[in-house]
This record gives sequence, C-alpha cells and structure tokens, in this order.
Amino acid sequence: DIQMTQSPSSLSASVGDRVTITCRASQSISSSLNWYHQKAGKAPKLLIYGASSLQSGVPSRFSGSGSGTDFTLTISSLQPEDFATYYCQQSYSSSPTFGQGTNLEIK
Amino acid sequence: EVQLVESGGGLVQPGGSLRLSCAASGFTFSSYSMNWVRQAPGKGLEWVSYISSSSSTIYYADSVRGRFTISRDNAENSLYLQMNSLRAEDTALYYCARDSPLTNGVGLDVWGQGTTVTVSS
Repeated sequence: DIQMTQSPSSLSASVGDRVTITCRASQSISSSLNWYHQKAGKAPKLLIYGASSLQSGVPSRFSGSGSGTDFTLTISSLQPEDFATYYCQQSYSSSPTFGQGTNLEIK
Repeated sequence: EVQLVESGGGLVQPGGSLRLSCAASGFTFSSYSMNWVRQAPGKGLEWVSYISSSSSTIYYADSVRGRFTISRDNAENSLYLQMNSLRAEDTALYYCARDSPLTNGVGLDVWGQGTTVTVSS
C-alpha cells in the first residue's frame, strides 16, 4: 500500500493566519491527491481534488499544490470555521489511503 | 438534496456478522461508484471498499478482504456492506461515501453521517 505521511500532526494558529499542511507519499502518485477536513462529530468534507482543483462550494482561501510525492494544502487566511482535522488521501492506487491527519487548533 | 443515510450498525460479538445499508437520494445513484470508509474511535480515516456503478469492479482493503462483501441495488438506490468474522479492530464509525466523477481514482464528494459498529463480547 502507498503510505501517506502528513506534517505537522497538530498545529495551533490564529484567525487570519496563513497555514500550510504537508503530505508526502511513499511513492509517486502523480497528481492523484485529495484533501478533506473533518469537524468534530461530523463527516469529512472534500476540499481539493487532483492536488490543486477546488471542490465546488469550497472557499477560495483553500488551495493545493504539488505532484509526485510532495503536496501542500494552504489556507490563506484562517477563519473560525476552518479549525478542524485535515486529511490527505491518495487516489492513485486501487487501495486508497489517507494520511494520519493534522489537527488544526485555535491558538 | 443529495443525501446518504447509513443504517445497520450495532453491537456484535467477535466472530459475528452484521450488514450495513446506505440509502441514497437526491442524485442518480446508478451513475456513481460508491465506497465504504471507516473511522475507529479517536483515530483517522480508513478506506474499506469500492464498488463501481454497475458492480463490475470491486476493491477491498487488505484488512477486510475475504471477510467483508460490498454490493449495491441500483433499483433500490442502496449500497450494502456485509461484514462477517468480525474482530475487535473492526469497531468503528462506518461511512458510506460517493465517488466523485471529477477525481482520478477514488475521491469522496458526498458522505453520510455514519453508523457505529462495535465488536465486543
């Protein structure tokens, strides 16, 4: 299976901050990388697909980049509703795998 | 409104069986591939299984292959997960999730609220 490793595992930030989360794949996955966030007690929500394409309805402060093995999710200006756990997920193989998650907390 | 509603979770003894259901509404179910994803208490997300729109292609995670069976009934707009030989490590919240047609491979654009499976004696 392709292993996905996110960093950091947790992050404290303030409203208005610019935040970057990194995801690394154990082998090249081209641009087959999706990002989700999950608020406490809720189902995950797709934010970014294909490494850099914004899912419909997702605010433009979210952006993704990368290809191959290294990817980033950037939130340009944190809003109160953005505090959540973020997951990357590779869609390259027939056995999709998620990163371990990044818990984004309010500072 | 696009919606997925899971049901069928509960408490089961190790070695037991359970069948999860997912009722879809608000979209043309027969046109979409579907997935099951689970989340153990306090843990991250784990993809479990995939089924294509016509049921012609099915994939499983190594952790459940040979014990779980995914299926669907397009006439009933329903997705199923038959879980046999359940283990304690199968304890989790099980989500039904729609596969996005925009992604290369599995991308999950609509999720249900989940149904809880607890395997314990």
